[in-house]
Amino acid sequence: DAKTTQPPSMDCAEGRAANLPCNHSTISGNEYVYWYRQIHSQGPQYIIHGLKNNETNEMASLIITEDRKSSTLILPHATLRDTAVYYCIVRVVGDYKLSFGAGTTVTVRA
Amino acid sequence: GAVVSQHPSRVICKSGTSVKIECRSLDFQATTMFWYRQFPKKSLMLMATSNEGSKATYEQGVEKDKFLINHASLTLSTLTVTSAHPEDSSFYICSARQDISNQPQHFGDGTRLSIL
Repeated sequence: DAKTTQPPSMDCAEGRAANLPCNHSTISGNEYVYWYRQIHSQGPQYIIHGLKNNETNEMASLIITEDRKSSTLILPHATLRDTAVYYCIVRVVGDYKLSFGAGTTVTVRA
Repeated sequence: GAVVSQHPSRVICKSGTSVKIECRSLDFQATTMFWYRQFPKKSLMLMATSNEGSKATYEQGVEKDKFLINHASLTLSTLTVTSAHPEDSSFYICSARQDISNQPQHFGDGTRLSIL
């Protein structure tokens, strides 16, 4: 039973911001939203996570709606190296297992 | 920081062979590590949770006698695929997290196992 819903694919222009949506309408108050990405034939790479507040780090920004039922990962200036499968995952506080869905295949085009 | 190393990156062997994959946390201690499996064009599937000093916890449908997990130290977990057959061919990935609240899992680069 998928806890998150993401579009299967997205195209983004190099140099532009990439906005990746994720729906998690059944999220509970004690569940984090995590984002990982997987470049072909590599292990997943941690991007960012949040609980209620918006978060920003050197890779991306995470915007969580006030009702927490959806979020958006923002890559501020997409490059060709950002081409990957992006996974939005909901994780219960204290339970460190991650359940990966199908993710969004993001292709950055020159 | 937070580097996870996995070895070997690729292995090809004959049917019936047992194969050991190592997962190391290089710059942090990890009481808990995780083993995943990924088939081509599919997502990662959690196989088991590896606990330092105790038995691993396997997900439903994963044979514990087939996939032996040992977590003998705070920086090393091993997965042994016993008597491997062609259907065991897959991409195996480990992850580890620091024993600090709210720290994310970090993943190794995976091991591509091909059984002939």
